[in-house]
Amino acid sequence: NAGVTQTPKFQVLKTGQSMTLQCAQDMNHEYMSWYRQDPGMGLRLIHYSVGAGITDQGEVPNGYNVSRSTTEDFPLRLLSAAPSQTSVYFCASSSPKRRSYEQYFGPGTRLTVT
Amino acid sequence: GENVEQHPSTLSVQEGDSAVIKCTYSDSASNYFPWYKQELGKRPQLIIDIRSNVGEKKDQRIAVTLNKTAKHFSLHITETQPEDSAVYFCAATLNYGGSQGNLIFGKGTKLSVKP
Repeated sequence: NAGVTQTPKFQVLKTGQSMTLQCAQDMNHEYMSWYRQDPGMGLRLIHYSVGAGITDQGEVPNGYNVSRSTTEDFPLRLLSAAPSQTSVYFCASSSPKRRSYEQYFGPGTRLTVT
Repeated sequence: GENVEQHPSTLSVQEGDSAVIKCTYSDSASNYFPWYKQELGKRPQLIIDIRSNVGEKKDQRIAVTLNKTAKHFSLHITETQPEDSAVYFCAATLNYGGSQGNLIFGKGTKLSVKP
């Protein structure tokens, strides 16, 4: 199993540009989530999904959209990038239906917005 | 909503000493408390977790204790080694049945183990 994969690893955007961060998992996990990590701030939840077709907002959802058309994929879209969105983004997944609450994280995407 | 406070933000110990990191949470309904380790430039990885029906859990050199009354939990690392150097995050949430609660993380503790 590849586990949780994310692309790209690094990205530089100009203010106002849009892009999609990709996340995929091959563990048949129903729960997937996106976090951002900023220095001294820990990990903050952006959006999450409890299954295909179902998404909801986390702590810091503004400026981001998500969709979940399949169990495997959970892309994060930045609609109009802002310097405040410079961060490291992690995708994670788990399988609470199997009573496994451990969240497995992807390798992260380091995003810089200039 | 849940709020998790973590202390200290940095911790430096000599190799072989013990290290303790403490977290407090605000929501008395939370029932799942994981600890994640993140090495520089890497992804967070679960090292130990505890559920609210247990007061202590050990796994080799690491242990976690939970005091539900005081709403705090702690990570204990004994006989520290240089490879324990990393940022450690605590988190809290409410899981019930087959539902995943959203993890609320502390801000992290940077542990440095000096040889």
